[in-house]
Amino acid sequence: GAGVSQSPSNKVTEKGKDVELRCDPISGHTALYWYRQSLGQGLEFLIYFQGNSAPDKSGLPSDRFSAERTGGSVSTLTIQRTQQEDSAVYLCASSFGTGTFEQYFGPGTRLTVT
Amino acid sequence: AQSVTQPDIHITVSEGASLELRCNYSYGATPYLFWYVQSPGQGLQLLLKYFSGDTLVQGIKGFEAEFKRSQSSFNLRKPSVHWSDAAEYFCAVGAGQAGTALIFGKGTTLSVRS
Repeated sequence: GAGVSQSPSNKVTEKGKDVELRCDPISGHTALYWYRQSLGQGLEFLIYFQGNSAPDKSGLPSDRFSAERTGGSVSTLTIQRTQQEDSAVYLCASSFGTGTFEQYFGPGTRLTVT
Repeated sequence: AQSVTQPDIHITVSEGASLELRCNYSYGATPYLFWYVQSPGQGLQLLLKYFSGDTLVQGIKGFEAEFKRSQSSFNLRKPSVHWSDAAEYFCAVGAGQAGTALIFGKGTTLSVRS
């Protein structure tokens, strides 16, 4: 079956612009996660959605970052007024949620802020 | 707070040789432990996981890992490495409730010499 998909695969943007990154989870998965992978910081958790519950935003680095999940499926991560330190690979993962921790990761979106 | 340490940043082994990648975790309760592999340009793939029960777990691609509570370790092993195993390996710990974020180690890059 189809795995987690992310778009775009690469995004180059100018400092100060807003960007939107998209994630399509595996069908039937109720939990969705965003992580960031950068050279200096490794893999960092950003935000987590589970069903209709309020998202866990504890990993978002600043208020320039936000995410939403529409209809319990597709998610969009938005970064406003991008900075050079936002350059990283943004990974999305999904899982069946309660009862299992197995997270399936997408290929990521490489964001470069110039 | 939970944390994961992978002491080896980079390891090189000869094809056919055995492999052990180290992982130490810090977590107050029984941890949920994972090993993921990331090949260049690819997303993260789950190799194996430990939730409870038998402390020696088998995974895909001939990998196994052993949970040792007394040492707070979850080392990954493979008896005979193949050139295709060259990749970056991440150990991760999950919190006590299903569906919460994973805390990753910084990763170990494996090179295989022929």
